[in-house]
Amino acid sequence: AQKVTQAQTEISVVEKEDVTLDCVYETRDTTYYLFWYKQPPSGELVFLIRRNSFDEQNEISGRYSWNFQKSTSSFNFTITASQVVDSAVYFCALWKGNTPLVFGKGTRLSVIA
Amino acid sequence: DVKVTQSSRYLVKRTGEKVFLECVQDMDHENMFWYRQDPGLGLRLIYFSYDVKMKEKGDIPEGYSVSREKKERFSLILESASTNQTSMYLCASSQRTGVSNQPQHFGDGTRLSIL
Repeated sequence: AQKVTQAQTEISVVEKEDVTLDCVYETRDTTYYLFWYKQPPSGELVFLIRRNSFDEQNEISGRYSWNFQKSTSSFNFTITASQVVDSAVYFCALWKGNTPLVFGKGTRLSVIA
Repeated sequence: DVKVTQSSRYLVKRTGEKVFLECVQDMDHENMFWYRQDPGLGLRLIYFSYDVKMKEKGDIPEGYSVSREKKERFSLILESASTNQTSMYLCASSQRTGVSNQPQHFGDGTRLSIL
């Protein structure tokens, strides 16, 4: 069975601090994809990144970076120099291809000015 | 640009009513999904559909049904609404096969309150 665990339910940081959101997954498949979505207060789910299981290269996009480690089944997300606009619920998800996404329960990030 | 449209952002209904939540996508996607989102529980899959007139139960189908008469439209039906169905409902769609950057495109969600 596939499972995604986001152990941090809520995180609160002061603006300009760095923050890391943890994601641990379980799957028996060798081919799979991992995702992060952002859900701001307005409610829509915004796609942030996708990684496939064969590509462990870390990725940086502006203030966002992702650390994928198959050895620990983790796909952590770091926001550098956080801003108030980063306040949202962040979801990590696992996908086997042509099946529904398996979501974690989400981490609510609050960035305080 | 891709678009998944849910008919209402906010909806208030009464216990026992039959409620329809509509979702339309304009990307010619084969797959469509309905989730509900509750605090502390994340997104839970209610039903999904891989083709017209096809439907599959997700993790929490009880109290719900769905209809997929046309490829672009996927309706979620609450046969007799109850207060525990007060929630945020999210619709999504995806291509059947192939590698695309986003497996599922989401609508803006419907906040449903059952009084």
